[in-house]
Amino acid sequence: DIQMTQSPSFLSASVGDRVTLSCKASQNINKYLAWYQQKLGEAPKLLIYNANSLQTGIPSRFSGSGSGTDFTLTISSLQPEDVATYFCLQHNSWPDTFGAGTKLELK
Amino acid sequence: QVQLKESGPGLVQPSETLSLTCTVSGFSLTSYSVSWVRQPSGKGPEWMGRMWYDGDTAYNSALKSRLSISRDTSKNQVFLKMNSLQTDDTGTYYCTRDESIPFAYWGQGTLVTVSS
Repeated sequence: DIQMTQSPSFLSASVGDRVTLSCKASQNINKYLAWYQQKLGEAPKLLIYNANSLQTGIPSRFSGSGSGTDFTLTISSLQPEDVATYFCLQHNSWPDTFGAGTKLELK
Repeated sequence: QVQLKESGPGLVQPSETLSLTCTVSGFSLTSYSVSWVRQPSGKGPEWMGRMWYDGDTAYNSALKSRLSISRDTSKNQVFLKMNSLQTDDTGTYYCTRDESIPFAYWGQGTLVTVSS
């Protein structure tokens, strides 16, 4: 199975900060990388698919980049409602596998 | 409006069988695939298996020997059965609607605790 490694595990940032989260795949997954946001007590929500495509209804401050093995989720200006855990997912190779997550908190 | 809702027992005895139901609305099970995904508390999600829109199934090899997924299209329901449960099977179980991107829509999840 492809291993997905997210860093950092925890991140503390201030409102208005530019925040960057990393996800690395153990082998080439082309562009087949998605990002999910999970708020406390809720189900994950799809933010980004195909590495850089914004899901309908997601604010434009979220963006994704990367291909191959290295991917990034960027929040251009952190808002209080962005406090959550963020997971990446690869769906290039069966079985689909998730990262362990980055927990984002307000400083 | 796409909706998925999981239901089932919150507590299961060790070595027993887990049975969950995912009831969907707003779409047809013959047009979209549905996956089961589980998440231990504080950890990342794990894909368990998928009911394809054409009725075929796929399973995570780590769970394949214990897992069965079926459906009743007339009732808009997808079923999960997993046997020989242990304490590390404790977690929240979700059903999701899959499109060209997997796990595009999620149910609210149901917490399953394996304990005597």
